[in-house]
Amino acid sequence: AQSVSQHNHHVILSEAASLELGCNYSYGGTVNLFWYVQYPGQHLQLLLKYFSGDPLVKGIKGFEAEFIKSKFSFNLRKPSVQWSDTAEYFCAVNMDYGQNFVFGPGTRLSVLP
Amino acid sequence: EPEVTQTPSHQVTQMGQEVILRCVPISNHLYFYWYRQILGQKVEFLVSFYNNEISEKSEIFDDQFSVERPDGSNFTLKIRSTKLEDSAMYFCASSEQGPMNTEAFFGQGTRLTVV
Repeated sequence: AQSVSQHNHHVILSEAASLELGCNYSYGGTVNLFWYVQYPGQHLQLLLKYFSGDPLVKGIKGFEAEFIKSKFSFNLRKPSVQWSDTAEYFCAVNMDYGQNFVFGPGTRLSVLP
Repeated sequence: EPEVTQTPSHQVTQMGQEVILRCVPISNHLYFYWYRQILGQKVEFLVSFYNNEISEKSEIFDDQFSVERPDGSNFTLKIRSTKLEDSAMYFCASSEQGPMNTEAFFGQGTRLTVV
């Protein structure tokens, strides 16, 4: 079965540190890629998305992600994190044969003030 | 800003009972989804729904589960005979077009506790 993996289960950073969260998927066809964030007690919110075009996409709150097709990766980055970025981050992939979004296991980010 | 709304926010039910989780998708959206998240685990796909029929379902979505769009606004998930392992957060989502064209918008979730 096709899958989505996220490298880190839990990342702990100090404020102003740079962030990179890894996401890889196992599918050789066309994909659409997403990063969602889930703040404590809240629902999933879209951070950014990639459908086509420039592989470097910018999202809300200063986040960006880069699609590297040859590496089947879509890593999320932010140059300087804030305490308010503490949340769970989910990578999600739509594969062109499917009518759903496949989620990775999530990475919990804790930002220390 | 339009949003997906789910009711109730929390439901406690006895094992073996039927539950119906309700969702109101965003009004101009055509594709609807149910996902679940067992505490501390990943977000798992259950079912997608388009044009009044199931377009895809996962292995989790067995005969105990069903979905319905009873009117022009609601989208429901029914679990006929709940099991302890059905305890999870259930998220409804909708998208304007199919997943190959648009992102999904998620509701706040219904926390189902089976006792």
